[in-house]
Amino acid sequence: AQKVTQAQTEISVVEKEDVTLDCVYETRDTTYYLFWYKQPPSGELVFLIRRNSFDEQNEISGRYSWNFQKSTSSFNFTITASQVVDSAVYFCALRDSNYQLIWGAGTKLIIKP
Amino acid sequence: GAVVSQHPSWVICKSGTSVKIECRSLDFQATTMFWYRQFPKQSLMLMATSNEGSKATYEQGVEKDKFLINHASLTLSTLTVTSAHPEDSSFYICSARTRGSNNEQFFGPGTRLTVL
Repeated sequence: AQKVTQAQTEISVVEKEDVTLDCVYETRDTTYYLFWYKQPPSGELVFLIRRNSFDEQNEISGRYSWNFQKSTSSFNFTITASQVVDSAVYFCALRDSNYQLIWGAGTKLIIKP
Repeated sequence: GAVVSQHPSWVICKSGTSVKIECRSLDFQATTMFWYRQFPKQSLMLMATSNEGSKATYEQGVEKDKFLINHASLTLSTLTVTSAHPEDSSFYICSARTRGSNNEQFFGPGTRLTVL
């Protein structure tokens, strides 16, 4: 079965703390893509990253970093030195061989000042 | 590039009326458009997939007569919620997939529908 699990429903940290959002996926496909999106209170989805299954290199973009581990089927997202503006719901998604996106339940991240 | 717009961004209507939501790809041609529904504090739920010039494919449990989808051109798809009721109140998001470009989906800003 194709599935994305974001076990953390809500995370609350104080500003400047580092925080990691977990994402575990299941797929039968050998070629697939994984995504992270941010959804602020406005509702508009903001694309953060796409990773294909053949590229296990970790990626860093400013305060954001992603750890892709095929061995554990995980694609975790870390925000370093969190800021209040990072408060949002974050979704992990898997694109299957039919090009449809399978979404995790989302993790609500609250950054307190 | 790859901008998708939705109109209206929010709408309030009376129960029993029909509401049309437009989704446009502004700077690219979309082979396929997707319509999602999102309830408060929940994830996105795919409602239907539409290809230009053909009938939409609805996900299981989505009433095709209730949620009419028309993909009239490579840049426009519409979702009409017919005879809306309060339980149809939700956040509706469309996305458009490009020709080539790794079949990337680009998302519209969403439409918040409130049925009184």
